[in-house]
Amino acid sequence: GNSVTQMEGPVTLSEEAFLTINCTYTATGYPSLFWYVQYPGEGLQLLLKATKADDKGSNKGFEATYRKETTSFHLEKGSVQVSDSAVYFCALSAKWDFGNEKLTFGTGTRLTIIP
Amino acid sequence: NAGVTQTPKFQVLKTGQSMTLQCAQDMNHNSMYWYRQDPGMGLRLIYYSASEGTTDKGEVPNGYNVSRLNKREFSLRLESAAPSQTSVYFCASSEGRGGANVLTFGAGSRLTVL
Repeated sequence: GNSVTQMEGPVTLSEEAFLTINCTYTATGYPSLFWYVQYPGEGLQLLLKATKADDKGSNKGFEATYRKETTSFHLEKGSVQVSDSAVYFCALSAKWDFGNEKLTFGTGTRLTIIP
Repeated sequence: NAGVTQTPKFQVLKTGQSMTLQCAQDMNHNSMYWYRQDPGMGLRLIYYSASEGTTDKGEVPNGYNVSRLNKREFSLRLESAAPSQTSVYFCASSEGRGGANVLTFGAGSRLTVL
């Protein structure tokens, strides 16, 4: 079946450091890939997505490239801020019955940025 | 800009009690979902509804029932709560029907079963 594996946290970085959160996946066919972010006390919200191989998703300074050859979708940011402290979830979307799609999530990586 | 609204935000139950979590969306989305979030396990799908009038089991449906009351509303019922159902529950919705599925989540409902 489909699965997502992301690096375990927690991850603690200093402000302005470079961030990488690793994500690899297993899926049949050609899934879409997503990063969702959960700020304290809130629900998840979409950070970025990529729908086909070699696509790069980007938003708020974060980037991730859909690498089919390595089945990866690593999240990167060049200079993190305290406001980036949150839990980050990698997810994939693959078709289920009747052409609909459902998401499979990784376990989440808690990121804390210290000033 | 309500999006997805869940109630209640917090609930404490005793083992064996029943309750219903309510969810409503105002985005005219076709698909709706209930997930639970547990430490170290990410989000796991309990039930989903691909469209009004249909519901299907997800990964962890045991102990739960759902109702898609209309296009806007999707409720989750615990008939006889157990401590293993202590979790944070998230409702979500999406346009569905084959698109690249972007989910919009509610703020969550924290349930404690004693």
